[in-house]
Amino acid sequence: KAGVTQTPRYLIKTRGQQVTLSCSPISGHRSVSWYQQTPGQGLQFLFEYFSETQRNKGNFPGRFSGRQFSNSRSEMNVSTLELGDSALYLCASSPRPGNHNEQFFGPGTRLTVL
Amino acid sequence: GESVGLHLPTLSVQEGDNSIINCAYSNSASDYFIWYKQESGKGPQFIIDIRSNMDKRQGQRVTVLLNKTVKHLSLQIAATQPGDSAVYFCAENTGGTYKYIFGTGTRLKVLA
Repeated sequence: KAGVTQTPRYLIKTRGQQVTLSCSPISGHRSVSWYQQTPGQGLQFLFEYFSETQRNKGNFPGRFSGRQFSNSRSEMNVSTLELGDSALYLCASSPRPGNHNEQFFGPGTRLTVL
Repeated sequence: GESVGLHLPTLSVQEGDNSIINCAYSNSASDYFIWYKQESGKGPQFIIDIRSNMDKRQGQRVTVLLNKTVKHLSLQIAATQPGDSAVYFCAENTGGTYKYIFGTGTRLKVLA
């Protein structure tokens, strides 16, 4: 069974631009969560989608948004990029929401904002 | 692969020895804890969890100990192997399905 895939793996953008990251969950997994990981803050929860609906949202500004498609694939978008948005963005999928011991992470997208 | 934390505390252990990785958590009301392993260039991987009504839980070669009095969590890895080299971090659930605080982690280096 293929794991969680994220594209692109690396991305360089400049301040003010926007970016869209993609995540394909493990087949059969309907819950997709997004996290931001930085050296200083560790992992921080962004949002979680299940059946195309956002179920939970972390404490991030409205510039961070996401969506989920009917095939469970998910995208997240960051608008008006700031230098502080430079981070590793991780996607994780699980069969059901909130099941952390059945949650599998992708390798992440490394975003650098210049 | 990319480095998640360039200035993490590092624990160097000889292959075959036991490793102990520590984590201090912040919220005395936290009732669920997870340990993750993150290898270079990969996402975190769930290792083991423990609920606050337990002091100890064992998995395959790993044991998690919880000391609620001093808000301390530890991960013990028996007979450490080169494949155990990674960053390990803990997470505490502060209430609610997604109310987690994640630690920044400790880098484990296994010396041959």
